[in-house]
This record gives sequence, C-alpha cells and structure tokens, in this order.
Amino acid sequence: AQSVTQPDIHITVSEGASLELRCNYSYGATPYLFWYVQSPGQGLQLLLKYFSGDTLVQGIKGFEAEFKRSQSSFNLRKPSVHWSDAAEYFCAVGAANYGQNFVFGPGTRLSVLP
Amino acid sequence: EPEVTQTPSHQVTQMGQEVILRCVPISNHLYFYWYRQILGQKVEFLVSFYNNEISEKSEIFDDQFSVERPDGSNFTLKIRSTKLEDSAMYFCASSRPGAGNTIYFGEGSWLTVV
Repeated sequence: AQSVTQPDIHITVSEGASLELRCNYSYGATPYLFWYVQSPGQGLQLLLKYFSGDTLVQGIKGFEAEFKRSQSSFNLRKPSVHWSDAAEYFCAVGAANYGQNFVFGPGTRLSVLP
Repeated sequence: EPEVTQTPSHQVTQMGQEVILRCVPISNHLYFYWYRQILGQKVEFLVSFYNNEISEKSEIFDDQFSVERPDGSNFTLKIRSTKLEDSAMYFCASSRPGAGNTIYFGEGSWLTVV
C-alpha cells in the first residue's frame, strides 16, 4: 500500500533563510507526487506536482521540489522564505490510474521568525 | 481559474442529526472525492465517485455516510446520524481525465458536532 512520511512535524526558520521540507513515499509503481499548502482554517492549495520528465519541478510562490527515485523522496525547497509562507505543508502521492485516491503525509508545520 | 466550491463553510449540528455537505466540482471534471481532516491531523481519504457510482472508499466511509450527484453540477456528502467524532473539516475535490490526476480541492466545510 502506498504511504507518505514527512519526518519533520514542525520547522521554524527565519525570514530570508532557505527551507527544505522532507517527504518520503512508499509506492509500488511510478508515483505521482504533489505538495499542497494549507493556511490556518483554509483549504488545500496545490504548490507543485511531479508526473514524469525533469525531476526538478517548479511551483508557485517560488517553491521547487526534486524527485529522487533512488531515495523515494520528493523534498520541497525554497531559497528564501517569506513570513507569508508560514502554513502547514502536505506531501501527497497519487496513483497512475485515473480517479485513484491520494494518500497524504501527516504534514509539516512551518513557522517563520521575523 | 475554475475552482471547487463548497457549502456551508461552517456548520454546527447536534449529535444524531443528519448533515448534508454540498460541493460544486470544476465543470469539466469527471472524478469527485471527499476527504476529511480532523483538527490537527492529516487529510484522510473518504470516497471517490465516478460515472454516478462510488469507485473507491476508505474504512472511514461506513454506512453512516453516503454520496450523491443529484444533478449535473452538485456533489453531496450526507452523514445520517452525526457523532462527536465526525467533527472535522471536510474537503470536496475533483479531477479530470488525463495523465496524472491532479486533484483540486475546495476550501472545505467545517463540521462541528455538539
């Protein structure tokens, strides 16, 4: 069965510092990988996704993620964090078949210090 | 940009009452989903729906839950007799056919059972 782990429950960084959020997945076939962000009391906004091709994908708000098949990882990065990036970040894996459900990781809460 | 819309944004109900959460998926999408997020926990899959029938459901989606697409635009989740532990944010989502099923989420409906 597919699963997603996010080893860091809570990360605090200073504004302007770089950020890396870790995501590891377990899936038997080629995964489709996603990062979503959730601000407090809000819905889930898609940051970026990986289906195939270039393993470094660019997303919105200056985020990028790199797919590493050998490490079963899909880590999210941002070179310079802004205070507005404080939120909960969820990694998710989806199946290649249409309509299959997503499995979400437990989330990483990001706090940003001024 | 098209979006998934959900109503109500927040509902408070007494234990044992029936609740219907409504969703309008993106118009050209054919797969519909409900997910749940209990406060402070990860997002959990409930059910997926395609071609007017349930295509997959989780163990959370027991006989108390049902889904329906009563017309060409709405997709509803009904909880027949709510329990305290049903208190959560419920997300509707939809996706379209095509390689890689990016799922677009609504803003969520907060359900509080008292």
